[in-house]
Amino acid sequence: DGGITQSPKYLFRKEGQNVTLSCEQNLNHDAMYWYRQDPGQGLRLIYYSQIVNDFQKGDIAEGYSVSREKKESFPLTVTSAQKNPTAFYLCASSPSHSGRGGGELFFGEGSRLTVL
Amino acid sequence: EDQVTQSPEALRLQEGESSSLNCSYTVSGLRGLFWYRQDPGKGPEFLFTLYSAGEEKEKERLKATLTKKESFLHITAPKPEDSATYLCAGLRGTYKYIFGTGTRLKVLA
Repeated sequence: DGGITQSPKYLFRKEGQNVTLSCEQNLNHDAMYWYRQDPGQGLRLIYYSQIVNDFQKGDIAEGYSVSREKKESFPLTVTSAQKNPTAFYLCASSPSHSGRGGGELFFGEGSRLTVL
Repeated sequence: EDQVTQSPEALRLQEGESSSLNCSYTVSGLRGLFWYRQDPGKGPEFLFTLYSAGEEKEKERLKATLTKKESFLHITAPKPEDSATYLCAGLRGTYKYIFGTGTRLKVLA
């Protein structure tokens, strides 16, 4: 079945450690996104990529890094510079934007990161 | 500043008690208004896209409508399995999705 796979589902990190969240899609979508979800707040965009080997910062990119070496993959690294990394992280993809604008987002199941 | 506001924050309904969820938006050059359903601990699941004022879309017990300032998600005769958080998002440009904080719906049997 086509979809987006995020791993791990749960992750614990000690302060000062970098961690990488995996996101793989087999929907053949060009655009991929990383969002952060905190209680009482809307989803906030961390990074997005519209094409392989290209990505742009979102609203809260500080302390995060990404790569887009393959169309199917868009991993997110949470670095030690991120001051408050405990959150639910969501990866999404969407088809090419054309005509009437961006399409719907397809989300993965999420990764919950907890800093100990 | 672009903004999407959802109300109420939480809603409890008896099974069969119809109601509406509101999504007010101020998004410059809105390219689309999206509704999602999110179950606890899961990623959001796409429900509807609305592109222009007056547009309506239906799916089972759900109907979404759009005006120039807000969108409504009408739930007719809800069942307990409709319990979830419902998110709306406005799209500006080709990548900027502005999400509301959601409405937590609980349907009691």
